Amino acid sequence: EAGVVQSPRYKIIEKKQPVAFWCNPISGHNTLYWYLQNLGQGPELLIRYENEEAVDDSQLPKDRFSAERLKGVDSTLKIQPAELGDSAVYLCASSKGGAAYEQYFGPGTRLTVT
Amino acid sequence: GESVGLHLPTLSVQEGDNSIINCAYSNSASDYFIWYKQESGKGPQFIIDIRSNMDKRQGQRVTVLLNKTVKHLSLQIAATQPGDSAVYFCAETGGANSKLTFGKGITLSVRP
Repeated sequence: EAGVVQSPRYKIIEKKQPVAFWCNPISGHNTLYWYLQNLGQGPELLIRYENEEAVDDSQLPKDRFSAERLKGVDSTLKIQPAELGDSAVYLCASSKGGAAYEQYFGPGTRLTVT
Repeated sequence: GESVGLHLPTLSVQEGDNSIINCAYSNSASDYFIWYKQESGKGPQFIIDIRSNMDKRQGQRVTVLLNKTVKHLSLQIAATQPGDSAVYFCAETGGANSKLTFGKGITLSVRP
């Protein structure tokens, strides 16, 4: 069974530029999560989707971050404009049925903002 | 810039020895606890979990102990191998629709 797929794996951009990350969850997993992971820290939830609906986006900085999950499968996380402090790893995870303790994580996208 | 997050606690063990990684969790209402292993360039990988109505659970070479009185969780790895070298995170959640909250990572370094 294929795991959670994320692309790109690495991205370097200049500040004020836009950037987008893509996630393809495990087949059949209706719940999708985006996390931010700073160096040396545990992942922090940005947004959680149940199918197409964002059910928890309380930690998403909505002034510059946006996400979508059209058709309830793949998801895109966007930052516009990026700031230096956005440099981090962005992880996508998915689960079947919404159980937080049954999440499978992708490899992440490492973003460097210069 | 902030440097606290760069100084991960590190546990160094000799190959073949047992490792014990500790975690203090924060929410007394959490009822599910998980240990994750994260290797460089990869996402967190599930190792073992335990519900709050248990105090011990064993897997293959790993054991998780839960002490709810002092809100403490530990991961024991038997006969530690070089492949166990990674960053380990504990995580807690209050249930199916609750958020998964991660603790600070601990680096396990296995000496050959």
